[in-house]
Amino acid sequence: QKEVEQNSGPLSVPEGAIASLNCTYSDRVSQSFFWYRQYSGKSPELIMSIYSNGDKEDGRFTAQLNKASQYVSLLIRDSQPSDSATYLCAVKRGDTGRRALTFGSGTRLQVQP
Amino acid sequence: DAGVIQSPRHEVTEMGQEVTLRCKPISGHDYLFWYRQTMMRGLELLIYFNNNVPIDDSGMPEDRFSAKMPNASFSTLKIQPSEPRDSAVYFCASSLGGTGGQETQYFGPGTRLLVL
Repeated sequence: QKEVEQNSGPLSVPEGAIASLNCTYSDRVSQSFFWYRQYSGKSPELIMSIYSNGDKEDGRFTAQLNKASQYVSLLIRDSQPSDSATYLCAVKRGDTGRRALTFGSGTRLQVQP
Repeated sequence: DAGVIQSPRHEVTEMGQEVTLRCKPISGHDYLFWYRQTMMRGLELLIYFNNNVPIDDSGMPEDRFSAKMPNASFSTLKIQPSEPRDSAVYFCASSLGGTGGQETQYFGPGTRLLVL
């Protein structure tokens, strides 16, 4: 079992729709969770971070975390063609001082105009 | 701020040659990370430093890989000898030393390495 699992996609949604991206993780001591966006040929850039159970909203993006189910998701409202990219879920263990991130393989999102 | 700077941006070399990748982290950042990204294995952490000291090198694939950070503004990742399976995009990232939002890792543009 991979430490961080994502559906590779592609996930195709029409412009203006809600895109839902999901991620599960295996290590229960994980404490910090991140969503990165990566355009083709570019480097990853942080979209959202979440640390406690529940929802966290930032503009059109909402991250949701459920530690009991070891599940984290990213919702993109009013999807735009410019949101078409690969979305990487990353998890950090809770060990004191440990900074390493484990990344999922990414979900490719396609927003159809 | 200029962000994380990596050089070269592209590197094509022949099997057996030495390859050196360079990284300049964001000024003031205490942590520096080296990642490798391939289609097959995704984005993998190779090694990371805290205040120029290597903390975790468990991701370094084998002895052919070595990384150094001689000062707070410069790090190198060296592959000697290089092999075709080392072909990948190598990213450098840096972050502050705090928690919460301060642990955000900022990635450089990457070095695309092709070993023939």
